[in-house]
Amino acid sequence: DAGVIQSPRHEVTEMGQEVTLRCKPISGHNSLFWYRQTMMRGLELLIYFNNNVPIDDSGMPEDRFSAKMPNASFSTLKIQPSEPRDSAVYFCASSFTQGTGGYTFGSGTRLTVV
Amino acid sequence: GQSLEQPSEVTAVEGAIVQINCTYQTSGFYGLSWYQQHDGGAPTFLSYNGLDGLEETGRFSSFLSRSDSYGYLLLQELQMKDSASYFCAVRDQGTRFGAGTRLTVKP
Repeated sequence: DAGVIQSPRHEVTEMGQEVTLRCKPISGHNSLFWYRQTMMRGLELLIYFNNNVPIDDSGMPEDRFSAKMPNASFSTLKIQPSEPRDSAVYFCASSFTQGTGGYTFGSGTRLTVV
Repeated sequence: GQSLEQPSEVTAVEGAIVQINCTYQTSGFYGLSWYQQHDGGAPTFLSYNGLDGLEETGRFSSFLSRSDSYGYLLLQELQMKDSASYFCAVRDQGTRFGAGTRLTVKP
């Protein structure tokens, strides 16, 4: 398996633009998580899906952020409009729901909003 | 409320043993996980404790005491490549991470 695949690896955009981050989880994993990592706030859970259904989105910062999982093999995190404070590394991770194993993280998307 | 506490930095020499402690407060709890993250990389899963006791995986061991809301990661025979950040994480509905402990291994 190729692991969790995220795209793009790097994104530089201007304030006010829409940004879409993409994630392909490991085949067979039925839970998917979006995290954001910054020096100030560490690793923050933004939202997670179980069997393609959003379970907990309490970590989503505000209405500018939205996430979808239209099928078991694809998820998006969208920021519209983007702001400089959204600059961070965004990780997607997947796992088996009831497993005692951990999460497998993608390589992340480094977002810079100027 | 929910909280995860772990030391911010630890320094040790090659070949030594180091213990990274983690205390937590959470409304729901399934288990405690540990992750390693090298600079510029993604977190990598190390271990999971769902029950009290010690779990051993090679040079790394992890311990959990649910009654004390406490766990630790033990790294033995330290190597230079172990220099990284280590995160404890509480698995409830999702998984919430501590702020991380930066381990520096010196020759």
